[in-house]
Amino acid sequence: DAGVTQSPTHLIKTRGQQVTLRCSPKSGHDTVSWYQQALGQGPQFIFQYYEEEERQRGNFPDRFSGHQFPNYSSELNVNALLLGDSALYLCASSLIAGGEDTQYFGPGTRLTVL
Amino acid sequence: DAKTTQPTSMDCAEGRAANLPCNHSTISGNEYVYWYRQIHSQGPQYIIHGLKNNETNEMASLIITEDRKSSTLILPHATLRDTAVYYCIVRASFQGAQKLVFGQGTRLTINP
Repeated sequence: DAGVTQSPTHLIKTRGQQVTLRCSPKSGHDTVSWYQQALGQGPQFIFQYYEEEERQRGNFPDRFSGHQFPNYSSELNVNALLLGDSALYLCASSLIAGGEDTQYFGPGTRLTVL
Repeated sequence: DAKTTQPTSMDCAEGRAANLPCNHSTISGNEYVYWYRQIHSQGPQYIIHGLKNNETNEMASLIITEDRKSSTLILPHATLRDTAVYYCIVRASFQGAQKLVFGQGTRLTINP
């Protein structure tokens, strides 16, 4: 049973560029949440997707957008990259329908903005 | 803001029980206590969660006080691989998957 997977593992971009990160949820899960973790800090909630719609959003600018596909996988897009966007981006999946909605995390994507 | 308070760091000898405290004095009746840990540069790993009763699984035990204002995560026989940052989180678990609000966590170091 595959857990949460994320791609790519590492990514280097320059300021002003755009980036897309991908997440495949744990088998059987229907909800994907994205978190940003700056160095030395705890993860910060970006947004959550369920039924292909954004359900909840944290305090992040509109440069951060996402999408969920019919197979429940998800993408995180960040436009006009800033140096401060350098972080570990984490995806977590859960199952709302079953009532047991514990979130399970993937290994993360390390984004470096130069 | 995180609704929990944890010590910044703790040490424990290998083979001993590691007891990690968490204060959540403002917890609501519908909020669960969740514990995750994060080994350096990896994604957080779910450990255990509970509402009122004490819980145990293959990884750890969770002891919640009767007034639910604090809890303790117990790793019964700590190994070097248990060295990690441990996060205590309170969150509601209804109407879908609520977001997790992480604090700074406790950096647990297991010493040989």
